[in-house]
Amino acid sequence: DTAVSQTPKYLVTQMGNDKSIKCEQNLGHDTMYWYKQDSKKFLKIMFSYNNKELIINETVPNRFSPKSPDKAHLNLHINSLELGDSAVYFCASSQSPIFYNEQFFGPGTRLTVL
Amino acid sequence: AQTVTQSQPEMSVQEAETVTLSCTYDTSESNYYLFWYKQPPSRQMILVIRQEAYKQQNATENRFSVNFQKAAKSFSLKISDSQLGDTAMYFCASALKAAGNKLTFGGGTRVLVKP
Repeated sequence: DTAVSQTPKYLVTQMGNDKSIKCEQNLGHDTMYWYKQDSKKFLKIMFSYNNKELIINETVPNRFSPKSPDKAHLNLHINSLELGDSAVYFCASSQSPIFYNEQFFGPGTRLTVL
Repeated sequence: AQTVTQSQPEMSVQEAETVTLSCTYDTSESNYYLFWYKQPPSRQMILVIRQEAYKQQNATENRFSVNFQKAAKSFSLKISDSQLGDTAMYFCASALKAAGNKLTFGGGTRVLVKP
C-alpha cells in the first residue's frame, strides 16, 4: 500500500561509478519530483516532471539525469559519482504541478559514495 | 527568489507541553502557500499543515496550529499537548504561484519530546 516507493533504500558505491535510483507512485498523480537532502538536513529540489515532461530543472550537474518512462515512475541516474553526491535522495509526487498541492514523499535513498 | 529561514536548530519539550517553532520567509510575491512538513527518524516526510497567503485565518490541524503574520513574513508552528511521536525534524516550506510546484525549504528544526 506504499504510496511513493523508492529502491534501493541504501546505496553504497565507489567514486566514479554509475548508479540509478528508482521511484514509483501508486497515487495516480501527474507530477513527480527528486529532492536532495544533504548531511546538514538541507532539502533542495532537483527536478520535477509533469506527465513525463520535465518542468523544473534546478542547477544540477549534468551527471544527474532523470527519466520518466510513464507518469507513475521517475528514475534518477547518476554518472561518475563523486564524494559530494553522498546524500539522501527523496522522490515525491503531487496531484498536479499547482503550487498549493501537497507533495507526498518516498522513504528516501541514502547514497554513500566512498 | 524566495528564502525560508528557521532560526532554531533544535528544541526540546516535555510530553503534554506546548512548543512553538519559528519560521520566516522572504518573497515579493503575493500569492503563495506555506507548509510545515515533519520528518521523523524513519525519514519519511509528512505534511503537517499548510496555509494560503490570502487567508487571514490561521490554519489548524488537531494539535498543530500556525501563527501566520503576513506583514512580518512569519509562519510559526505550535504543537500542543506534545506526544513522543512528535519527535522529528520539522521543515517550513514555501511555494509561490509564480514558481509553480517548487517547494523551498528552511533548514529544519529538530524537536525532541521528552517523557
